[in-house]
Amino acid sequence: SSELTQDPAVSVALGQTVRITCQGDSLRTYYASWYLQKPGQAPVLVIHANNNRPSGIPDRFSASFSGNTASLTIAGAQAEDEADYYCSSRDSSGYLPFGGGTKLTVL
Amino acid sequence: QVQLQESGPGLVKPSETLSLTCAVSGYSISSDFYWGWIRQTPGKGLKWIGSMSHSGGTYYNPSLKSRVTMSIDTSRNHISLKLNSVTAADTAMYYCARTLYGDNPFVFDYWGPGTLVTVSS
Repeated sequence: SSELTQDPAVSVALGQTVRITCQGDSLRTYYASWYLQKPGQAPVLVIHANNNRPSGIPDRFSASFSGNTASLTIAGAQAEDEADYYCSSRDSSGYLPFGGGTKLTVL
Repeated sequence: QVQLQESGPGLVKPSETLSLTCAVSGYSISSDFYWGWIRQTPGKGLKWIGSMSHSGGTYYNPSLKSRVTMSIDTSRNHISLKLNSVTAADTAMYYCARTLYGDNPFVFDYWGPGTLVTVSS
């Protein structure tokens, strides 16, 4: 089964742009989805498929892909964006791994 | 508005079976979509358990497949999870969720608040 790797922690100054990455072989074939999770809450889908945002997700969230790496970019990070971010992407066998998560701190 | 609510025993003894239900409101589970279970060990990351379609087709995490059973009860509009032979490693917050699309078992847009299950004697 494929695994997905994320940096454990990233920080960004308020209003600046930050990129969170996710690496894995399955990303060469399948899109990543991105979720944010705040303490004590369930995950929230922020990006799916080819850079699609569900209703209600601000347009400062965007995604990109290159090779085996998927990236989530937050342009103009806000205090409320401080959260844990998880990527996920199926593999060819029908298994869905999640990345280990990236803790985003907004300074 | 679709809402999901997990419920079940908060404490399960080792070697016994963990049984959870997820009550769905605002949508008939027999109509469409996949319904999934995801768990999260305290302070750790997310782990997909499996996804079941409205018609009963299933995808399971290979590492849990031998111990997992998911089912759908359309008369009560809820989904169920059974995980047998539990150990302390199964202690986690368990979430149920609905997929974004009816033909994709792997992207979840509606989540329940989760229910914490502790495995301990």
